Amino acid sequence: AQTVTQSQPEMSVQEAETVTLSCTYDTSESDYYLFWYKQPPSRQMILVIRQEAYKQQNATENRFSVNFQKAAKSFSLKISDSQLGDAAMYFCAYRNVGGATNKLIFGTGTLLAVQP
Amino acid sequence: DSGVTQTPKHLITATGQRVTLRCSPRSGDLSVYWYQQSLDQGLQFLIQYYNGEERAKGNILERFSAQQFPDLHSELNLSSLELGDSALYFCASSVDGRAQYFGPGTRLTVT
Repeated sequence: AQTVTQSQPEMSVQEAETVTLSCTYDTSESDYYLFWYKQPPSRQMILVIRQEAYKQQNATENRFSVNFQKAAKSFSLKISDSQLGDAAMYFCAYRNVGGATNKLIFGTGTLLAVQP
Repeated sequence: DSGVTQTPKHLITATGQRVTLRCSPRSGDLSVYWYQQSLDQGLQFLIQYYNGEERAKGNILERFSAQQFPDLHSELNLSSLELGDSALYFCASSVDGRAQYFGPGTRLTVT
C-alpha cells in the first residue's frame, strides 16, 4: 500500500523569506501524481500544485515550486517570498494513475506559520 | 471558490441519529469523492462515485452509505451516529482524475 510521510509537524518562516516543506512517499508504482494542498483556518482544501511522475521537469505555480526526486521518492514544496496569507496547514498527497480508483492518500500535514 | 458546493456547513446531532450530507460537483465533473478529516485519523478517503456508479470504497463504515444521482450531485448518509463520527467531511470532484477540487466541507458534531 502507498504511504505519504510529512516529517515536519510545524514550520515557521519570516515574511518575504523562502521555506521548504518536505514530503516522502512510498509506492511500487511507476506512474502516479503528487499534489500539495493548502488548508487555511477556514478549513477549505485548496490545490496548490501538482506533479505528474512521468515528467522530469519540476512543477511551478507562481511563488510555489516543487522539487520532485523520483528515485528518492521525495516531493518537497518551496514557497518563495512568503506572505502572511500563506499561513496554513499544508498536505502532501499521492494518487495512482489507472487502477480502480483515483483516491488521494494524504500525509499528516505541516502547519506553516508566517512571522511578520 | 472551487466550484464544489456542500451543505450544510455545520451539523450538530445526537448519538444514534442519522444525517445526510449533500455535495454538488463542479460543472462537468463526473467523479465525486468523499473524505473524512478527523484529529486522530487525519484525511481519509471514504468512497468514490463516477457518473452515478460506485467506483471505489475506502475506510467507510457499514453505517455510512452514499449515492450519486443522475444530476451528478451526491449524498453521504451517516446513521447510528457515534461520538467518534464527529469530523469534517469533504466532498471533492474531478473531470479526469488528475486533480481533485474540494468543497468547503461539512463539520459534523455528534453530542
